[in-house]
Amino acid sequence: AQSVTQLGSHVSVSEGALVLLRCNYSSSVPPYLFWYVQYPNQGLQLLLKYTSAATLVKGINGFEAEFKKSETSFHLTKPSAHMSDAAEYFCAVSDTNRDDKIIFGKGTRLHILP
Amino acid sequence: ETGVTQTPRHLVMGMTNKKSLKCEQHLGHNAMYWYKQSAKKPLELMFVYSLEERVENNSVPSRFSPECPNSSHLFLHLHTLQPEDSALYLCASSQGGGNEQFFGPGTRLTVL
Repeated sequence: AQSVTQLGSHVSVSEGALVLLRCNYSSSVPPYLFWYVQYPNQGLQLLLKYTSAATLVKGINGFEAEFKKSETSFHLTKPSAHMSDAAEYFCAVSDTNRDDKIIFGKGTRLHILP
Repeated sequence: ETGVTQTPRHLVMGMTNKKSLKCEQHLGHNAMYWYKQSAKKPLELMFVYSLEERVENNSVPSRFSPECPNSSHLFLHLHTLQPEDSALYLCASSQGGGNEQFFGPGTRLTVL
């Protein structure tokens, strides 16, 4: 069965610094992978997705993620953090046994320090 | 309206009340979902509807009753809830096939 592990429930970075949010997945077949962002009292918004095309995926708001099969990782990065990036971020993997289901990680709360 | 909409955005109810949450998707998707998001807990999948048929019920108490009258609408009927049911309830839709889900803004439910 597929699973997702997000390392660190809270991450703090200074404004202007590199953002790195870690995600490792488990899947017996090539998965679809996703990153979502959730601002307070809002729904989840898709940041980017990997669907077996280019391994480096660019998303909205300057975020990108790299699919590394050898490391079973799909870490999210942004070169320079903005205060507006403060939110909760969820990594997710498609359930290859059920094509209508996505499995979400527990989330990482990103704090931006002035 | 575009995307996925949810009403109401906020709901306060007593334990003996009956209320319903409504979700509508304008994306032509064929699958819809209810999730529960509580503070300090992971996102919990409650129900999945595919082509208007319930395909998953993740051991949700019977005080939560979903209804999917057509592919664009999804309801969650609530009755005799408990304070621990207070949470953000999120609706989502997708085209299936491993594709992404699109979420509504959620209903913040408080049970007194």
